[in-house]
Amino acid sequence: EPEVTQTPSHQVTQMGQEVILRCVPISNHLYFYWYRQILGQKVEFLVSFYNNEISEKSEIFDDQFSVERPDGSNFTLKIRSTKLEDSAMYFCASSPGGGGHYGYTFGSGTRLTVV
Amino acid sequence: GIQVEQSPPDLILQEGANSTLRCNFSDSVNNLQWFHQNPWGQLINLFYIPSGTKQNGRLSATTVATERYSLSYISSSQTTDSGVYFCAVELGGGQFYFGTGTSLTVIP
Repeated sequence: EPEVTQTPSHQVTQMGQEVILRCVPISNHLYFYWYRQILGQKVEFLVSFYNNEISEKSEIFDDQFSVERPDGSNFTLKIRSTKLEDSAMYFCASSPGGGGHYGYTFGSGTRLTVV
Repeated sequence: GIQVEQSPPDLILQEGANSTLRCNFSDSVNNLQWFHQNPWGQLINLFYIPSGTKQNGRLSATTVATERYSLSYISSSQTTDSGVYFCAVELGGGQFYFGTGTSLTVIP
């Protein structure tokens, strides 16, 4: 069964540094998403991306964050000037269509630790 | 916003036992999915089930969209089933709302 692949599985970074989390969505999917889960809390929506632009974003997704599809296979989340509170699991997801009625496949996540 | 409530919040089972997890949601949804988060934090897709019933091995799920609930069943539980089970609903645009999860511990 096709998978969404996220790398690395665990990343440690110093406060103030920039990090890039990488995702390879399923090859024929067109819609891409990032979610975040702070330890012990709910999984929360960050952003959706389609046709090389952001479709929707939550209030969490401020100027510190950006997303990019640099080539035909990767989808990245960049976090600038990381803060301690950015420590969380970050999940990438993709779907063949948008607006419901399609299954969404989530990756297994990247654990980001900011020290 | 939409409310997604899961019950029970915690569940401890003896290996081999069966269990039912429930997810109630407060509004009509386009999509509902069940996930298992293992002890390492990884999220594993279980079911895409906006309505009807699906089965995958020892796991199955049923969603009754008109009554705004979904059930997930685990039969003959194993220690590897331990973790947190999340229900998530989507209203449109790919934005999922996750429940608070059911934490399952299966003891040998």
